[in-house]
Amino acid sequence: TQLLEQSPQFLSIQEGENLTVYCNSSSVFSSLQWYRQEPGEGPVLLVTVVTGGEVKKLKRLTFQFGDARKDSSLHITAAQPGDTGLYLCAGVSLGNEKLTFGTGTRLTIIP
Amino acid sequence: DADVTQTPRNRITKTGKRIMLECSQTKGHDRMYWYRQDPGLGLRLIYYSFDVKDINKGEISDGYSVSRQAQAKFSLSLESAIPNQTALYFCATRYGWGSYNEQFFGPGTRLTVL
Repeated sequence: TQLLEQSPQFLSIQEGENLTVYCNSSSVFSSLQWYRQEPGEGPVLLVTVVTGGEVKKLKRLTFQFGDARKDSSLHITAAQPGDTGLYLCAGVSLGNEKLTFGTGTRLTIIP
Repeated sequence: DADVTQTPRNRITKTGKRIMLECSQTKGHDRMYWYRQDPGLGLRLIYYSFDVKDINKGEISDGYSVSRQAQAKFSLSLESAIPNQTALYFCATRYGWGSYNEQFFGPGTRLTVL
């Protein structure tokens, strides 16, 4: 079974601070996705990274796929209360229809 | 209207009862999935379906069964519910061709088994 470990599991910071969330695996993935989930809702896709070393930016969020395609990070600049939520990474294996989800990082931004 | 809907949104039941969770989608997607979410474990795949005639087990299918009644409907059943099946259950859909496996999730069903 492929595992995706996320760290930290919980993170609570003040509004305006920067943060980084990590997603690590010993397996290689053909692509990796990041989802955000808010209370009472299902996860919503934020981004998909495909190429090793790829960096994608979504406003204040920066996503990076590791060179070896085994890990990824999410960096948030100047965090805002609206960033609060559960962040999930999910890996797609080559030729596999299934997503392997990470353990999740619950982020709380304090106004 | 939401593209992926789940009913019920909340359910409390007793050990041994049969429970059905329903999922409907208006996205026209051929792939449908059932996941359960537990704190600290992320989402784990229970069953998935590529079309009406194609049903596949996921990593935690024991104690569950599914039915794909039509392209738009995918139901999850717990034949005899047990307390460790208490969890948040999500249905998801995906378009099968030319995508990076982006999945679209319903709002979830919170199931409590007493």
